[in-house]
Amino acid sequence: AQSVTQLDSHVSVSEGTPVLLRCNYSSSYSPSLFWYVQHPNKGLQLLLKYTSAATLVKGINGFEAEFKKSETSFHLTKPSAHMSDAAEYFCAVSVGGAQKLVFGQGTRLTINP
Amino acid sequence: DSGVTQTPKHLITATGQRVTLRCSPRSGDLSVYWYQQSLDQGLQFLIQYYNGEERAKGNILERFSAQQFPDLHSELNLSSLELGDSALYFCASSGRSGGAGETQYFGPGTRLLVL
Repeated sequence: AQSVTQLDSHVSVSEGTPVLLRCNYSSSYSPSLFWYVQHPNKGLQLLLKYTSAATLVKGINGFEAEFKKSETSFHLTKPSAHMSDAAEYFCAVSVGGAQKLVFGQGTRLTINP
Repeated sequence: DSGVTQTPKHLITATGQRVTLRCSPRSGDLSVYWYQQSLDQGLQFLIQYYNGEERAKGNILERFSAQQFPDLHSELNLSSLELGDSALYFCASSGRSGGAGETQYFGPGTRLLVL
């Protein structure tokens, strides 16, 4: 069965410094991978997705993620953090004929001024 | 704004009661998904409907049921409520195929508190 592991439950960075949120997946098939962001008391917003096209995926708000099959990873990065990036981030996988999304436990990103 | 609407935003009820959560998908989307977000279980898939028919089922309790109507809106019915059912319930919708890899757009959620 497919699964997702977000390696850090909490990441704290200073404003203007790079962000790295780590996600490993487990899948028997070629996966579709997603990153969503959830701001406090809000729904989930799609940041980006990978569906077997380019391995480096660019998303909204300056975020990007790289699919590495050999490492079964899909880490999310941003070159320079902004205060508005403070939120909960979820990595998710959708595989094969299954339409459901399997989510990781989330990573809370804190931005220090 | 994702285009997915959910009502009500908040719901407070008592144990043993029954509630109905409503979701309207984005215009043109045929698939509706329901997810539950709780502190101990995280985000979990409950059920998917595609054009009125149940397509996939996840960890949905027997006390819970859902349906999708001809106008494509969906309702999630939760009955015999327990304290542990307190959670944020999300609806999501996706486009025409309802297949893997299709982007799911999430609504703002309904926060359920069972006292």
